[in-house]
Amino acid sequence: QQQVKQSPQSLIVQKGGIPIINCAYENTAFDYFPWYQQFPGKGPALLIAIRPDVSEKKEGRFTISFNKSAKQFSLHIMDSQPGDSATYFCAASIGNFGNEKLTFGTGTRLTIIP
Amino acid sequence: DARVTQTPRHKVTEMGQEVTMRCQPILGHNTVFWYRQTMMQGLELLAYFRNRAPLDDSGMPKDRFSAEMPDATLATLKIQPSEPRDSAVYFCASGLSDGYTFGSGTRLTVV
Repeated sequence: QQQVKQSPQSLIVQKGGIPIINCAYENTAFDYFPWYQQFPGKGPALLIAIRPDVSEKKEGRFTISFNKSAKQFSLHIMDSQPGDSATYFCAASIGNFGNEKLTFGTGTRLTIIP
Repeated sequence: DARVTQTPRHKVTEMGQEVTMRCQPILGHNTVFWYRQTMMQGLELLAYFRNRAPLDDSGMPKDRFSAEMPDATLATLKIQPSEPRDSAVYFCASGLSDGYTFGSGTRLTVV
């Protein structure tokens, strides 16, 4: 079973802090790595994604760092806000068009306290 | 904003009954996925289609689950007979490229 390992399981950060969520994968064939954000009662929503030809991608306050040799990638949220409190999932797929089946991490429940 | 529509949002049924969940993908998206989310197993792929053709249904218990796309605007997931262990949130998602969009899910409870 192809796996994506995600940590931590839960995270509490003060407003303005920088939560960091980490993921590691085994299958070197993976070539598309998205992060999804999920609020209670809603489906996951694509936040940001990276392909292995770059080491970092930034969109607004969200940054993915990617380390191909270590087979790890992480999500950083700058200037975190209470509205960022949600569950975050990393994922990976083979086929970098972004519409192939995803293998998801187990999720990180993030709480931003005022 | 284009969105994936799933019906029903909630379903409570008795063990042994048939359950049908429906999904209307975003117009123009050629790939449709069914995922199941539980506390224990997280998000698991059940099946997916491209241009209405099934690509992979290896995540689905074939003896009781079936997934179809009768046309480009409708995907269905059927469970017959349902069991308490099928209780979960079932998500449909659709995409074309650069990631896909999930619906809000069907929360299924089998008692």
